[in-house]
Amino acid sequence: NAGVTQTPKFQVLKTGQSMTLQCAQDMNHEYMSWYRQDPGMGLRLIHYSVGAGITDQGEVPNGYNVSRSTTEDFPLRLLSAAPSQTSVYFCASSYDRDSLSSYNSPLHFGNGTRLTVT
Amino acid sequence: AQSVTQLGSHVSVSEGALVLLRCNYSSSVPPYLFWYVQYPNQGLQLLLKYTSAATLVKGINGFEAEFKKSETSFHLTKPSAHMSDAAEYFCAVETGANNLFFGTGTRLTVIP
Repeated sequence: NAGVTQTPKFQVLKTGQSMTLQCAQDMNHEYMSWYRQDPGMGLRLIHYSVGAGITDQGEVPNGYNVSRSTTEDFPLRLLSAAPSQTSVYFCASSYDRDSLSSYNSPLHFGNGTRLTVT
Repeated sequence: AQSVTQLGSHVSVSEGALVLLRCNYSSSVPPYLFWYVQYPNQGLQLLLKYTSAATLVKGINGFEAEFKKSETSFHLTKPSAHMSDAAEYFCAVETGANNLFFGTGTRLTVIP
């Protein structure tokens, strides 16, 4: 199994440009989420989804949009990139939509997308 | 609100020495707590998790963590460090269905 696949691995944008970070999982997971990782700040939740057609905001949603038209895919859109969005972005998924406390429900992470906005 | 605090952004130990990475939590309800490890240029992997079944939790790669309610702590330990343990370690608490609040991370360096 491929697990959680993120593309691209690296991206450089100019301020004001738009782009979509792709995330796909082949594990039939209900739950998917996006985090950003910044030095000294750990990972912060941007948006998440508990199933196709359902999305919700996390801790730092401003400047980002998401949609969940299929179980497999959860793209993250930057409509007008800003230098403050320079970060490493991680997509994660889990089988159980209710809680990570379930024994068989760890959070699976992709390998990240490193985004630089100039 | 639930949160975690990791003390020490960098920890260095000699190969074979005890590893101790500190995590304290803040929660108004019994927390679900996690430790994740991140190797360079990779995503995070689950090391172990506490879900109230047992206070001493054993994880992968010889790591374990003990939940201490009286100290609001969930420190990560390993008796003998290996070079392969060099990575960044994150403590996290579940804040809602499947959502995690991560600590700021501790980078572990193992000195040969």
